[in-house]
Formats: sequence, C-alpha cells, structure tokens
Amino acid sequence: QVQLVESGGALVEPGGSLRLSCAASGFSFGDYYMTWMRQAPGKGLEWVASISFSGRTTHYVDSVKGRFTVSRDNAKKSLYLQLNSLRADDTAVYYCTRNPEYGSSSILGVSDSWGQGTLVIVSS
Amino acid sequence: DIQLTQSPSSLSASPGDRVTISCQASQDIGHYLNWYQQKPGKAPKFLIFDASILETGVPSRFSGSGSGTHFTLTIDSLQPDDIATYYCQQYDDFPLTFGGGTKLEIK
Repeated sequence: QVQLVESGGALVEPGGSLRLSCAASGFSFGDYYMTWMRQAPGKGLEWVASISFSGRTTHYVDSVKGRFTVSRDNAKKSLYLQLNSLRADDTAVYYCTRNPEYGSSSILGVSDSWGQGTLVIVSS
Repeated sequence: DIQLTQSPSSLSASPGDRVTISCQASQDIGHYLNWYQQKPGKAPKFLIFDASILETGVPSRFSGSGSGTHFTLTIDSLQPDDIATYYCQQYDDFPLTFGGGTKLEIK
C-alpha cells in the first residue's frame, strides 16, 4: 500500500536550516507530482510547495519563496524540503503528500495520501 | 490568492443527524475543490475531489456539492467516528489554499 514517511524534523534556532525527507513506497513515485503541506500547532492546514514528476517545475507559497527548496530523487523514491532562514512562524508539522491526476484541472492539487508528518520547531 | 471561508467553524450534532458544512470561495473556482477529514493527532484524510466525487473507500454517507463559489459537504446519519475537523481546499490556482476548518463534535 501507499506509504509516505517523513523525517528530519527538529528543534532549530531562528535563522537556522533543516532538511526534511519523505520516503515513498507502494507506488510508482516518478509518476506523481508531490506536495509539502504544513500545520502550525492548533492551526489549520497550509500548502507549502509542490514539485512536478521530473522535478523541473516547482511552486511555492509566497511566505517561503527564496527560503525553502523542494526537490526529489526519483531513483531513491524520495522527496525533500530544504528549509533555510527559518522563522518562528515556520513552526509546524510538515506533511508529505502525493498528487494523483484526478479531475480535469491543469493543477494536480488533490493530495490523496499523506504521511504522518514531522515536527519542526523554530525557537531559541 | 483565493480565499476559502468555511462555516460554521464548529458544530455539535447528535448521532444520526444530517450535518452540512459550507465552503465559500472568494472567486469562481469551477468545481476544483477538495474536502479532507482530520482526526486529532492524525494526518488529514482525503474525502472528496472535484467538489462531489468521493474517494474510493469513503462511506457513502459523505457527499459534496456545489460549483463556482459555494460548496457544501454533507454527512448523512452522523456516526461517532465522524468526529473530526473538516477542511475544504481549492486547486483552481496556485497558491493552493484551505478553508479555516470546521470542528465537528458529537452531542
């Protein structure tokens, strides 16, 4: 079955960096767009970044542009999120999600499978 | 950015009740709307895409409707297992955006 397992979350000081990973299994990883979502403690869901099948096309929410970088390694069936210049408001559980080609939208914005999440805390 | 406004923000209902949650978009998003269910301490679960199409395995008591700017998630015959927070999400344009959530409790 589809499995997404995030790792890399930690306590980091403001201005610091972190790299999150997501190991995928149970499906043909390279055939799917992938997306990172996040959820601050006690808050709602927020889309962070999406990446195309090959990794050539990426999209980011404005609040992380220039600070976060999404990438993937299809051979390793892994998704990554490099977090730089971290701020307190980046504190959240970060989820890796899979985007199937559902519906007729040109944007593959359906997240049908989610990992369990990894917690990033930005604090001094 | 497309804003999604969910109402109510919280809701208390009895087992067997019919529950309706609304999601209003700030502009026409066609039918490009998803619904997710999130139980406490768990990752969200995908329920519905394209406003009304149920994901495989989702109980038929869940249904979605709407298009344009107004959408609805309905749960017929509420079950105790349905206690969760429900989120709508649009994928008509980037940035993908979510509604603020509706917390559903059982009376």
